[in-house]
Amino acid sequence: SQQGEEDPQALSIQEGENATMNCSYKTSINNLQWYRQNSGRGLVHLILIRSNEREKHSGRLRVTLDTSKKSSSLLITASRAADTASYFCAHKAAGNKLTFGGGTRVLVKP
Amino acid sequence: DAMVIQNPRYQVTQFGKPVTLSCSQTLNHNVMYWYQQKSSQAPKLLFHYYDKDFNNEADTPDNFQSRRPNTSFCFLDIRSPGLGDAAMYLCATSRDHATLWGDQPQHFGDGTRLSIL
Repeated sequence: SQQGEEDPQALSIQEGENATMNCSYKTSINNLQWYRQNSGRGLVHLILIRSNEREKHSGRLRVTLDTSKKSSSLLITASRAADTASYFCAHKAAGNKLTFGGGTRVLVKP
Repeated sequence: DAMVIQNPRYQVTQFGKPVTLSCSQTLNHNVMYWYQQKSSQAPKLLFHYYDKDFNNEADTPDNFQSRRPNTSFCFLDIRSPGLGDAAMYLCATSRDHATLWGDQPQHFGDGTRLSIL
């Protein structure tokens, strides 16, 4: 399967703590994207990191990419209850379609 | 605000009874996608349109069809829904063909949750 893997599958933290989730993939990529999905809603694009980039920031989000290990991480700093959601990484796989990982469910407790 | 709108949000149909889900967009994007997402799983691409060109994924069942009568609208038709077709169906758009190669983000609607009785 070309689907990426994410870990952990679920994460529970207290408000104010940092949340880190990881994504691995199997093919070479042009870029990797992270999306957030609130319960019962569609996906919202968070950040895109290109294969020639190693780190990217957007507000409280920090994404790293290690193409030699075929892995990426998403860090949410100073988490808030509103960050409770599922987070998916996505990359171009065989057939040039965007393929999503299995997701990490994050619960931020107030 | 420019957006992707899916109707209805919830759809209930009977086993074997055809059902149509709709998606509209005000983004004027060339590419529209349909994904199936089952509980706690990743979205799975069913097919996409680049303008009027239809592209089916190899493992999408024949039971699933799509129509795109114009730039703004795209429909997902399930000809004979089975219990295994109960899922969230997500519509997404991207500005141009380059996005198929993952160069730009996709914009998603809030989905239609389909239940089969």
